[in-house]
Amino acid sequence: GQQLNQSPQSMFIQEGEDVSMNCTSSSIFNTWLWYKQDPGEGPVLLIALYKAGELTSNGRLTAQFGITRKDSFLNISASIPSDVGIYFCAGSSWGKLQFGAGTQVVVTP
Amino acid sequence: GAVVSQHPSRVICKSGTSVKIECRSLDFQATTMFWYRQFPKQSLMLMATSNEGSKATYEQGVEKDKFLINHASLTLSTLTVTSAHPEDSSFYICSARDSSGPDTQYFGPGTRLTVL
Repeated sequence: GQQLNQSPQSMFIQEGEDVSMNCTSSSIFNTWLWYKQDPGEGPVLLIALYKAGELTSNGRLTAQFGITRKDSFLNISASIPSDVGIYFCAGSSWGKLQFGAGTQVVVTP
Repeated sequence: GAVVSQHPSRVICKSGTSVKIECRSLDFQATTMFWYRQFPKQSLMLMATSNEGSKATYEQGVEKDKFLINHASLTLSTLTVTSAHPEDSSFYICSARDSSGPDTQYFGPGTRLTVL
């Protein structure tokens, strides 16, 4: 299906640094979801956002549902080696998910 | 909560044979499940939407006679790749939406299919 615009495509960061990524869309969504996928595994849900303007945290992860309902960002604070992986955003309006292309995060010690 | 399982996790088969992949929601009911295919270093590509008790809805370009979907219960959907060929080799992932919960899809761990 149609892809969202997710950036950056990849990030190489040092352990302890913060990570930010975002997604934008030309369409309005009712739900924004952030997933992490490790090699050979299915995506794991990190954060789900259901209201415009909502800011939600899950441990070191923070995500926001943009006021316009057309964008969302994900922040990871104080990165650790196990944060390595591909992060996908997805938008939904009680139908099919529309995915971003993913952000590859590499954490170096 | 919200666990989705897939079986098998990987399968190798000969060209021309059929392969069935199961997707189960373990702790919730799902009237709607989704089947995706993922190529290396790419995002997930939706193949079809599986609806409990009715026919699946296929995305454009996905052959319904080749990828048979059955959603016979509120916790189980199956994808059968019929007469598999090497080009069908891929990573297949299912997801399920909790019928009583918010608009959120939970993914299975995926099935790696290799057709020789």
